[in-house]
Amino acid sequence: DAGVTQSPTHLIKTRGQHVTLRCSPISGHKSVSWYQQVLGQGPQFIFQYYEKEERGRGNFPDRFSARQFPNYSSELNVNALLLGDSALYLCASSGQQGAAGYTFGSGTRLTVV
Amino acid sequence: KNQVEQSPQSLIILEGKNCTLQCNYTVSPFSNLRWYKQDTGRGPVSLTIMTFSENTKSNGRYTATLDADTKQSSLHITASQLSDSASYICVVSGDRRAGNNRKLIWGLGTSLAVNP
Repeated sequence: DAGVTQSPTHLIKTRGQHVTLRCSPISGHKSVSWYQQVLGQGPQFIFQYYEKEERGRGNFPDRFSARQFPNYSSELNVNALLLGDSALYLCASSGQQGAAGYTFGSGTRLTVV
Repeated sequence: KNQVEQSPQSLIILEGKNCTLQCNYTVSPFSNLRWYKQDTGRGPVSLTIMTFSENTKSNGRYTATLDADTKQSSLHITASQLSDSASYICVVSGDRRAGNNRKLIWGLGTSLAVNP
C-alpha cells in the first residue's frame, strides 16, 4: 500500500522561474496539506485542501498557490522564485479535514540559485 | 501566542542507552500532541499521537507521556540504536472549534545523535 508520494524528489531552479510540485495522498485520504521546511527549522504550514477546496492558508505570499484534483492529488505552484524559497516542501495527507494521523511524504528538495 | 518548546536542542548518547526528550506547549485549547521522527532531508514519520485524555502511549522502544494539566510531554527512547539518530519533533494541534483550524504547531525539534 503506497504512502504519500511526492515528485520530483529534488529540483534546481533559477530565480524568477516557477515550479510545480506534486503530491499523491494515501489511497482514500481526501485531505492534503503542504508545508515548507527551511533547513534547521520546523515545517511551516502553507495550504490545506479537503475535497478539492482550500480549507486553510498559512502566511505565504500570493506567489504560492495550490490546487487539489478530483483524485485528491495536489499540486503546489510557486511563481517568481526567490533564493529564500529554497527548502524541503512536504506534503501530508489525512483521512479527514484536519484530523489527527497525518502521514507525510518524503518531500521535494527545492534549490533556487 | 501558541508555542511549542522542546529541550534539549541537541543530545548525544551512546548506543544502548536510554534518553528522554521534553516538550512544553502553550497551545490552548488543545486537541492532540504528536511526536515525529525526521531523518535529515526526509519527511517526518509519526511516532505517537495523544489526545488530552491519554497519559502515555508506546510505539516499540518509543514511549510518550502527556500531562495536559501542566502542558508537558516527554518522549522516552529505550535501548537506543544507531538508527535512532534523527530530529524528534513535538507537534501540537489546537481545537478547531476555538478557531485554531487545526493547523499543526511545530516545535523546533531535538537533534539526537546515537554514537557507537
